[in-house]
Amino acid sequence: AQSVTQPDIHITVSEGASLELRCNYSYGATPYLFWYVQSPGQGLQLLLKYFSGDTLVQGIKGFEAEFKRSQSSFNLRKPSVHWSDAAEYFCAVGARGANNLFFGTGTRLTVIP
Amino acid sequence: NAGVTQTPKFQVLKTGQSMTLQCAQDMNHEYMSWYRQDPGMGLRLIHYSVGAGITDQGEVPNGYNVSRSTTEDFPLRLLSAAPSQTSVYFCASSRDRVSGANVLTFGAGSRLTVL
Repeated sequence: AQSVTQPDIHITVSEGASLELRCNYSYGATPYLFWYVQSPGQGLQLLLKYFSGDTLVQGIKGFEAEFKRSQSSFNLRKPSVHWSDAAEYFCAVGARGANNLFFGTGTRLTVIP
Repeated sequence: NAGVTQTPKFQVLKTGQSMTLQCAQDMNHEYMSWYRQDPGMGLRLIHYSVGAGITDQGEVPNGYNVSRSTTEDFPLRLLSAAPSQTSVYFCASSRDRVSGANVLTFGAGSRLTVL
């Protein structure tokens, strides 16, 4: 069965510091992987996605993620966090040939000055 | 383009009442879906549709009905609301019915409280 684990419920970082949000997935085949961001009171916005090819993918707002098949991970990174990055971040996995996504429980990011 | 539009944004119901959450998209997307978001549980799929006249159950379908009479609209019906259905509901759509390679476009959400 598909599942996504985001082990960090809440992370606090200082503005300008680097960020890594962890995501581990369980899936029987090669998955499609996504990171979405949700600002308070808003819907979800796609940050980046991995379907195939280069395992390091670039997204919007300076985010990147690396797919590591051996570790079943798809961690999200940003070298320098901005105050506007404070939000909740969701990792999701999807199947080839289907649009349904399985989401992790989310990681809330707080950015302090 | 308006994208995915959900109404209402907020709703309070009493136990046993019925209501419909509306979802409309103007992108001619074939695939539409409903998720619920609960604290500590992420988003869970309720129902989805791969085209007009076709619907199927997701992970947590009990207590909800859907229909897809047009490409644009995908309403979610609660026939007899229960406190366990207090949640934030998101509608999402995607261009192709079964590609998987297409990104979901989400609505802004509907917050439902059942007393």
